[in-house]
Amino acid sequence: EVQLVESGGVVVQPGGSLRLSCAASGFTFDDYTMHWVRQAPGKGLEWVSLISWDGGSTYYADSVKGRFTISRDNSKNSLYLQMNSLRTEDTALYYCAKGVLGLVRGGMDVWGQGTTVTVSS
Amino acid sequence: QAVVTQEPSLTVSPGGTVTLTCGSSTGAVTSGHYPYWFQQKPGQAPRTLIYDTSNKHSWTPARFSGSLLGGKAALTLSGAQPEDEAEYYCLLSYSGARPVFGGGTKLTVL
Repeated sequence: EVQLVESGGVVVQPGGSLRLSCAASGFTFDDYTMHWVRQAPGKGLEWVSLISWDGGSTYYADSVKGRFTISRDNSKNSLYLQMNSLRTEDTALYYCAKGVLGLVRGGMDVWGQGTTVTVSS
Repeated sequence: QAVVTQEPSLTVSPGGTVTLTCGSSTGAVTSGHYPYWFQQKPGQAPRTLIYDTSNKHSWTPARFSGSLLGGKAALTLSGAQPEDEAEYYCLLSYSGARPVFGGGTKLTVL
């Protein structure tokens, strides 16, 4: 069974930093593009970032470019999101999602349950 | 960045048929946008229903189908059930590998 389990969400002050993690199991992790998607309270889904199967290509939404960094450790079947210079508008539930086999483009088939990031003073 | 548009809300009667659409500010939606459809119920993570316009996952109920219709991506629900009441999101991929979600459609089964 494919499973994605996010962790690392906490309450942090504006300007602070945080690293989210996503532990993957049940599939060949290093074959797939992976995504981070977020959802602010009461709002819709917002794509945040993707990383290619080998980590060689990364893409970001304009709203987080220059502040967030996506990475992966295929030896640990893990995905990460380093979040710096956090703003109150980054407050959201952050989902890890499994992308497409071998292709660097949008689309995700399995989602984790999410981890909550609250940016507040 | 492109804007992806969906109906804010729709209502369907139990057993009825409804079509949700997904448009793009850049023009007609094509198979090259690899449209995806997701269902999200309150307090739950999204669940992928349709990928690459019309393909279903093993967990996708047969009553859901995806297509291209009038320059938009479309999700059709035939034979609506009470448990289909949810928020539905589409996702389109654009060149530059930065996909965009639509704003979501709140579907009521009433």
